[in-house]
Amino acid sequence: DVKVTQSSRYLVKRTGEKVFLECVQDMDHENMFWYRQDPGLGLRLIYFSYDVKMKEKGDIPEGYSVSREKKERFSLILESASTNQTSMYLCAISRGLAGANEQFFGPGTRLTVL
Amino acid sequence: EDQVTQSPEALRLQEGESSSLNCSYTVSGLRGLFWYRQDPGKGPEFLFTLYSAGEEKEKERLKATLTKKESFLHITAPKPEDSATYLCAVQGWGGANSKLTFGKGITLSVRP
Repeated sequence: DVKVTQSSRYLVKRTGEKVFLECVQDMDHENMFWYRQDPGLGLRLIYFSYDVKMKEKGDIPEGYSVSREKKERFSLILESASTNQTSMYLCAISRGLAGANEQFFGPGTRLTVL
Repeated sequence: EDQVTQSPEALRLQEGESSSLNCSYTVSGLRGLFWYRQDPGKGPEFLFTLYSAGEEKEKERLKATLTKKESFLHITAPKPEDSATYLCAVQGWGGANSKLTFGKGITLSVRP
């Protein structure tokens, strides 16, 4: 079974705090993704990574940064959390093959910024 | 730009009442179309990958089909435990080659 774990299921932070969300996989998949999911807006891609130390901006990167120092870990960083970053954050992984690459998701982190 | 539209937004069924969920898409060359199930407060769970028009895949009460413009998720004799949000996504050959484009999902409620 594919295993994607996220560091916290629920997190409460204050405005202006630096927030770290970590994602760990045990499948040796090349690609890792961070999404946020909000009611009525669906899944929106924040950042993704094809390889260690590689990162690409997704559709909504503003206010976020990422780090991938090891293949199995992909961290999402909120440099200065704001209330509009309250959301469900989902990590996903996929293989880097030539064909169709289904993504496998972690359980999600529900972040509340007060 | 790839696009995915799912309809209806929400669907309420009686237990045993079969129905279909629709996913319309536009993509610059289809690599794959994916269906996911998502329970409240959890991450999406992968169900199927469809690669080309005419392909069908089944899993228990679910059957996914694909045409050149649409995919359908048919639910036969649903049970209350089938209640969830169902997401459709596509991967095309253009752009960043591992990105998926997701629809907003269809929330299915099955009443006993």
